[in-house]
Amino acid sequence: GEDVEQSLFLSVREGDSSVINCTYTDSSSTYLYWYKQEPGAGLQLLTYIFSNMDMKQDQRLTVLLNKKDKHLSLRIADTQTGDSAIYFCAVSGTGGSYIPTFGRGTSLIVHP
Amino acid sequence: DGGITQSPKYLFRKEGQNVTLSCEQNLNHDAMYWYRQDPGQGLRLIYYSQIVNDFQKGDIAEGYSVSREKKESFPLTVTSAQKNPTAFYLCASEMKLAYGYTFGSGTRLTVV
Repeated sequence: GEDVEQSLFLSVREGDSSVINCTYTDSSSTYLYWYKQEPGAGLQLLTYIFSNMDMKQDQRLTVLLNKKDKHLSLRIADTQTGDSAIYFCAVSGTGGSYIPTFGRGTSLIVHP
Repeated sequence: DGGITQSPKYLFRKEGQNVTLSCEQNLNHDAMYWYRQDPGQGLRLIYYSQIVNDFQKGDIAEGYSVSREKKESFPLTVTSAQKNPTAFYLCASEMKLAYGYTFGSGTRLTVV
């Protein structure tokens, strides 16, 4: 089945850009998502991209998709302390299934 | 405001007891899902339902049961057969397949 990998931790200084990376194994993945989870809370859908797109921008968020390398990234511009959270990558559409496979999440720590 | 509500937020279970976690949504979403989250792990799918009166097992259904008698409601029962139930449980709904999930705020279940 699909396997989604993320690095576990990322530490950045307030005001810098953050880049969270994700790799997946199945090239037929069609829908790719980024979710944010704050402590003790559920996940919040941040953004998504379809496999026929290379890039999507939404305010401070930029998603880049490299289908050849099966690599997805989320860039957060001007990172703030309120961006500290766990970020999950999820992909679906593999083998006709729309049930997403989630990565283990990347903990983003923003320090002053 | 539309949303998805999980209750209770915290739940304590004695050994050998069944407990039921509530999930209600007023978003008019067709599909609903239950996930389990353990520290440092991604989300693991327990059960899902894409239509009323129908549901499917996910990757870790053993020891759990669900029902979907109404579109708005998708309760999860953690039975005594689930040997390691301590975890954070998340319910989600989706308007249409691949649109992305709306999550509830979660229920933290602890065995005492």
